[in-house]
Amino acid sequence: GQQVMQIPQYQHVQEGEDFTTYCNSSTTLSNIQWYKQRPGGHPVFLIQLVKSGEVKKQKRLTFQFGEAKKNSSLHITATQTTDVGTYFCAGPLSGGFKTIFGAGTRLFVKA
Amino acid sequence: DGGITQSPKYLFRKEGQNVTLSCEQNLNHDAMYWYRQDPGQGLRLIYYSQIVNDFQKGDIAEGYSVSREKKESFPLTVTSAQKNPTAFYLCASSIGQGDGYTFGSGTRLTVV
Repeated sequence: GQQVMQIPQYQHVQEGEDFTTYCNSSTTLSNIQWYKQRPGGHPVFLIQLVKSGEVKKQKRLTFQFGEAKKNSSLHITATQTTDVGTYFCAGPLSGGFKTIFGAGTRLFVKA
Repeated sequence: DGGITQSPKYLFRKEGQNVTLSCEQNLNHDAMYWYRQDPGQGLRLIYYSQIVNDFQKGDIAEGYSVSREKKESFPLTVTSAQKNPTAFYLCASSIGQGDGYTFGSGTRLTVV
């Protein structure tokens, strides 16, 4: 079945360092979504990418959607302690309402 | 402000008891979903509903039941048949197919 893999599972960084998480799908996606879940909280929708090769920025966060629409990345420049949490990518199954979530990358930031 | 309300935030139940988790949205979204999250894990789909009076099983539906009698409401019942019910339960909604989700704040269920 369709799978969405995310790496790494965990990442420890010093505050100010950069961070990247990668997402790979076994099939072509119509779009890719990214969510952030703070410790003890719930996932919050960050962004949706639709076009092949699309790049979007939100302040220090840069999101990319691969040319083949099978992979994506989230890059955070100069991490801050407020960036801690788990970042999930997700992609909708073709022709349906179900969305497949990656297992997430948990980011730890040391001040 | 529009959003999704889940209640209660924390719930404790004795083993063998059924329990119903509430989920209400005022976003006028057609689709609603229930996910389960275990510590350090990702999200697993329990049930989803595209429209009123219709719902579909997700990947881990055994031991759970749902109803969708109103567009705004999608309650989840955790039955005694669910072998490991202790988890964090998240309700979500979306405008339609393939759209981003809005999540509720979740219900942490502990069965003792």
